[in-house]
Amino acid sequence: GIQVEQSPPDLILQEGANSTLRCNFSDSVNNLQWFHQNPWGQLINLFYIPSGTKQNGRLSATTVATERYSLLYISSSQTTDSGVYFCAAGDDKIIFGKGTRLHILP
Amino acid sequence: DTAVSQTPKYLVTQMGNDKSIKCEQNLGHDTMYWYKQDSKKFLKIMFSYNNKELIINETVPNRFSPKSPDKAHLNLHINSLELGDSAVYFCASSYGGNIQYFGAGTRLSVL
Repeated sequence: GIQVEQSPPDLILQEGANSTLRCNFSDSVNNLQWFHQNPWGQLINLFYIPSGTKQNGRLSATTVATERYSLLYISSSQTTDSGVYFCAAGDDKIIFGKGTRLHILP
Repeated sequence: DTAVSQTPKYLVTQMGNDKSIKCEQNLGHDTMYWYKQDSKKFLKIMFSYNNKELIINETVPNRFSPKSPDKAHLNLHINSLELGDSAVYFCASSYGGNIQYFGAGTRLSVL
């Protein structure tokens, strides 16, 4: 089955910094999503992005389907951005990566 | 109104008991899912239903039985609970398998 790998596994940044999170997937997919799990455990969908580029405020994502990777950009980080960021990829069934744990220091 | 709601939020029970978790979505979606998140935060799909029909059934012990009475509901019944079943269980829904919306999770602790 498809494998989804995320990097880095952990990231600690100062408030205001920018970051790039990467997701590699092992096969072509029709479905790729980015999620944020906040410190209270809630999973929020950030982007549905099987290809192309999308932006939502300080967050943007790019998926290069032909090269089997996706990037999530976070600009001007805030403490509320802390949590775990998951990439999930697949077709009918999406497989979650192990996540990137982001900690933003005030 | 909560889009995807799960009950209960917390469940503490003894080994060997049977328990159920309920999930309801009011988004008009046609697909619902159950995921398990272990202590290392790893999320794994367990089941998926599309229009009340089971379409994904991962390698899950048959002590776990999902039931979808209608498109808006997907319940999870667990028989003979074991220590290893302790985890957070998430329900999610989507339309046509696209953007998935998650419930708040049910934290199950088996003692």
